[in-house]
Amino acid sequence: SAVISQKPSRDICQRGTSLTIQCQVDSQVTMMFWYRQQPGQSLTLIATANQGSEATYESGFVIDKFPISRPNLTFSTLTVSNMSPEDSSIYLCSGRHPSSYNEQFFGPGTRLTVL
Amino acid sequence: KQEVTQIPAALSVPEGENLVLNCSFTDSAIYNLQWFRQDPGKGLTSLLLIQSSQREQTSGRLNASLDKSSGRSTLYIAASQPGDSATYLCAARGSSNTGKLIFGQGTTLQVKP
Repeated sequence: SAVISQKPSRDICQRGTSLTIQCQVDSQVTMMFWYRQQPGQSLTLIATANQGSEATYESGFVIDKFPISRPNLTFSTLTVSNMSPEDSSIYLCSGRHPSSYNEQFFGPGTRLTVL
Repeated sequence: KQEVTQIPAALSVPEGENLVLNCSFTDSAIYNLQWFRQDPGKGLTSLLLIQSSQREQTSGRLNASLDKSSGRSTLYIAASQPGDSATYLCAARGSSNTGKLIFGQGTTLQVKP
């Protein structure tokens, strides 16, 4: 299995500012993903983080709002830009491990509150 | 487009009871299906992964089954304990190794002492 950590674990931010969330995996993973979980809801995929190239975004999510980096096989960042209260959510990083039948693992999440 | 549904949305049972959580998916061409547990305000813990060629997987008191033809999976929890209280999510992966996980809305379980 893979262990995924995220920083920060939570933050309270002002409207109009940006926050960068870091995701670190303890082993190399084939694919990394960023999800959003709004209060009381299930998980929605934001994008697939591609190593060394631009992320692949899902419908409804754009790079200007959620820029993503993945410089190597174990690290990725998600930035939530120009935040509004509607961005208040839990943001979860996920990785797919190649040697575990491609089982997908999740980080502990970053709880973001935008005032 | 794959859709995943979980029934019931919430369940409350007395300690010691055996229970079944249900998950259905609309597109049977899945690569695999995973069951997760989520405690309030926390991330997801992977419980069981069933490949498309498998019928069931077991881990301790948990047993997950998969019936692709009917588009259903169940998670069976034996001898439930208060520590099992959490939200349980199922997620179906599309029909390739690079397919995306599509999540259900989850079943929130409360096990009363």
